[in-house]
Amino acid sequence: SQQGEEDPQALSIQEGENATMNCSYKTSINNLQWYRQNSGRGLVHLILIRSNEREKHSGRLRVTLDTSKKSSSLLITASRAADTASYFCATDSGANNLFFGTGTRLTVIP
Amino acid sequence: EPEVTQTPSHQVTQMGQEVILRCVPISNHLYFYWYRQILGQKVEFLVSFYNNEISEKSEIFDDQFSVERPDGSNFTLKIRSTKLEDSAMYFCASSRQPGQVYGYTFGSGTRLTVV
Repeated sequence: SQQGEEDPQALSIQEGENATMNCSYKTSINNLQWYRQNSGRGLVHLILIRSNEREKHSGRLRVTLDTSKKSSSLLITASRAADTASYFCATDSGANNLFFGTGTRLTVIP
Repeated sequence: EPEVTQTPSHQVTQMGQEVILRCVPISNHLYFYWYRQILGQKVEFLVSFYNNEISEKSEIFDDQFSVERPDGSNFTLKIRSTKLEDSAMYFCASSRQPGQVYGYTFGSGTRLTVV
């Protein structure tokens, strides 16, 4: 299975702090994607990083990918209460389907 | 911003009944998908659909499941004879190109409860 595993499972921080979530996976990938899910809602695509990329930025998000360690990290800078959600990494081997991780539940305290 | 729309948002059905979950993908998207998330578990891939046929399916997507694009705008998931273990949130997704190019757009999901 190439399913990812995120850690920590839960993270609680104060508004304004940075949040870092990690993802590990098992097999080779074409790309890795991060999604956000607010409680009981749909999945929102945040960022996609290809296997030949090492770092990518989008607004307050920074994603890194280390294919030698089969790991990725998502950094949210200057967190806001509205960032409270579950964050999932998902790997794509090129077969046009995603394998999701278990998710990190982020709580940002105002 | 274009959205993937799913209806209904919540459906309750008796075990053994057929259900149809409906999705309206983004209009210029060509690739369509269903995923499910059993409460407290990972999001799991069910099936991908392109050019009016299934392109990939998982082990979960057995003979009880079928997908259809009946009219060029809707994309449906049918479960023929629901089981208790089919209770889950079902997500539809679409992409203009294969999802490994730019990612996928997911709908808000249909929560299916089988009683």
